Amino acid sequence: EAGVAQSPRYKIIEKRQSVAFWCNPISGHATLYWYQQILGQGPKLLIQFQNNGVVDDSQLPKDRFSAERLKGVDSTLKIQPAKLEDSAVYLCASSFKVGITLSYEQYFGPGTRLTVT
Amino acid sequence: SQQGEEDPQALSIQEGENATMNCSYKTSINNLQWYRQNSGRGLVHLILIRSNEREKHSGRLRVTLDTSKKSSSLLITASRAADTASYFCATDRAGANNLFFGTGTRLTVIP
Repeated sequence: EAGVAQSPRYKIIEKRQSVAFWCNPISGHATLYWYQQILGQGPKLLIQFQNNGVVDDSQLPKDRFSAERLKGVDSTLKIQPAKLEDSAVYLCASSFKVGITLSYEQYFGPGTRLTVT
Repeated sequence: SQQGEEDPQALSIQEGENATMNCSYKTSINNLQWYRQNSGRGLVHLILIRSNEREKHSGRLRVTLDTSKKSSSLLITASRAADTASYFCATDRAGANNLFFGTGTRLTVIP
């Protein structure tokens, strides 16, 4: 079974520029997550989709971050404009089981390492 | 904050020894999960333990959960150099299905 795919793997941009990340989850996985992982910390959830609807975006900095999941499959995460503190690894994960009140194991992609200079 | 905290932050052991990592959290949970992250394979799910379970085994892994103390431990027996990685606990909130990750324990297994 193919894993979660992400691109690009690395991106270097200057502050105030924009950037977009792409994620293709495991086929059949209804739930998709975007996480931000700053060096030395654990992943922090940015947004969670179930099919093509947003379940939780309470930790997404909506003034500069946006995400969409068209047709309930692929997803893109955008940052515009980027700040120095956005330097991090952006992880995409998906989960097969759809739980309203229970969590299930998540499958993670390799991540995109973003450096903002 | 719901975020779990792992202890110790870093652990270094000899190959063949056992490694124990602890996780504490703050609010009621449905499940607690452990993940491993290394440069080669990224972030990988290891084991999930539900709030009504006290202990679970998977190969060389043993996880315990004490909901009264809001804590969990991960034991890796007979460690191998390939176990070198960061280990994270992740908890959900009762009534929700997303995860909060801790800050991780960095395990180094010396051959």
